[in-house]
Amino acid sequence: GAVVSQHPSWVICKSGTSVKIECRSLDFQATTMFWYRQFPKQSLMLMATSNEGSKATYEQGVEKDKFLINHASLTLSTLTVTSAHPEDSSFYICSAVNRGRLTQYFGPGTRLLVL
Amino acid sequence: DQQVKQNSPSLSVQEGRISILNCDYTNSMFDYFLWYKKYPAEGPTFLISISSIKDKNEDGRFTVFLNKSAKHLSLHIVPSQPGDSAVYFCAASRIGMNYGGSQGNLIFGKGTKLSVKP
Repeated sequence: GAVVSQHPSWVICKSGTSVKIECRSLDFQATTMFWYRQFPKQSLMLMATSNEGSKATYEQGVEKDKFLINHASLTLSTLTVTSAHPEDSSFYICSAVNRGRLTQYFGPGTRLLVL
Repeated sequence: DQQVKQNSPSLSVQEGRISILNCDYTNSMFDYFLWYKKYPAEGPTFLISISSIKDKNEDGRFTVFLNKSAKHLSLHIVPSQPGDSAVYFCAASRIGMNYGGSQGNLIFGKGTKLSVKP
């Protein structure tokens, strides 16, 4: 199956700092990438969708200035949590879709802890 | 309004028996369905999918059944193995149409935690 990687796998940072998470499709070209977050014992919550070369589309309630998404190439999307606060602590997961396909393949996730 | 529902938060099955995970949806426009398996602190792993033109899809020990009239799908795992213990999410999508901002968005259920006991 298709492989999607995320880096870093976990990060601990101080409140007010910015954190960048990378999502890469390793063996296919991802025309669309999705960013999710998951709180404990909750389902995946879609934050935003990014298409290569265009601006990301954010879900209702997700601050675009807080969560900056860049999909600069067909294999890389980045999520930057700007001025992170403790309430941003969560598990962030990306997924990628190959051109013309429907199945999303997920990365392993990034655990963010903001102190 | 929850459009994809997994009403059983947990399921316990004996090793070697069949596991049946259920999922209901409310939006009749959904036409593509997927099952994912997830371990704690990991990303979901794709298991199997089915489009609305089919009522069954099989891949090894995993079979997904779709009942469009009932807006219901189920995942059967036979035989169940202890390594199958995880949270299983069903997801629904609409082929070829923008939904929630972009083509191919998935709507997830809340998951069912499967425990397979040796």
